[in-house]
Amino acid sequence: KQEVTQIPAALSVPEGENLVLNCSFTDSAIYNLQWFRQDPGKGLTSLLLIQSSQREQTSGRLNASLDKSSGRSTLYIAASQPGDSATYLCAVTKRSFGNEKLTFGTGTRLTIIP
Amino acid sequence: DVKVTQSSRYLVKRTGEKVFLECVQDMDHENMFWYRQDPGLGLRLIYFSYDVKMKEKGDIPEGYSVSREKKERFSLILESASTNQTSMYLCASSTRTGRSDGGANVLTFGAGSRLTVL
Repeated sequence: KQEVTQIPAALSVPEGENLVLNCSFTDSAIYNLQWFRQDPGKGLTSLLLIQSSQREQTSGRLNASLDKSSGRSTLYIAASQPGDSATYLCAVTKRSFGNEKLTFGTGTRLTIIP
Repeated sequence: DVKVTQSSRYLVKRTGEKVFLECVQDMDHENMFWYRQDPGLGLRLIYFSYDVKMKEKGDIPEGYSVSREKKERFSLILESASTNQTSMYLCASSTRTGRSDGGANVLTFGAGSRLTVL
């Protein structure tokens, strides 16, 4: 059974710093990996999706990498801002014929200190 | 702007009541999902559907049922609500895996429905 782990559960950093969030998964036979952001009391917003054949994806100040063989992904946030404060979740998809399921990590709650 | 809309943001129900949570998407997505989210447990899949009138059990289907009569609508039903079903419920949709155009299956979520069962 796939397990997805995100450590640490919470992280606080001063504004302006670069930071890395970690995600690890136990079964490397994945179809893709997604990073999401969740603001308190809200739904999830997709940030980046990496297909299993890709190594990284970039969107603005965000860069996500994927190392399938080691079962790891990182989300790099450059020049952090208070508006980046949120919970960040990663999720992996293991393709099943005709359908799909995601396994989520429990998230890292990020606080950017002004 | 594409959307997944959940009809109720906050609900308070009594134990034993029948509860309907509605979800509508306007993206013509094949796949739709219902998750619940609880502190320390993350998101857990209740049910999903990859086509009209099709449904499959997720990881925690007990105490729930679903209905998908139209492509854009996926309903979650609590036949007899219990206090341990107090949670945040999240609906999501995506395109089908392996589309001929190579489109990736980005998951789009609704804003969530916070259900409290007293």
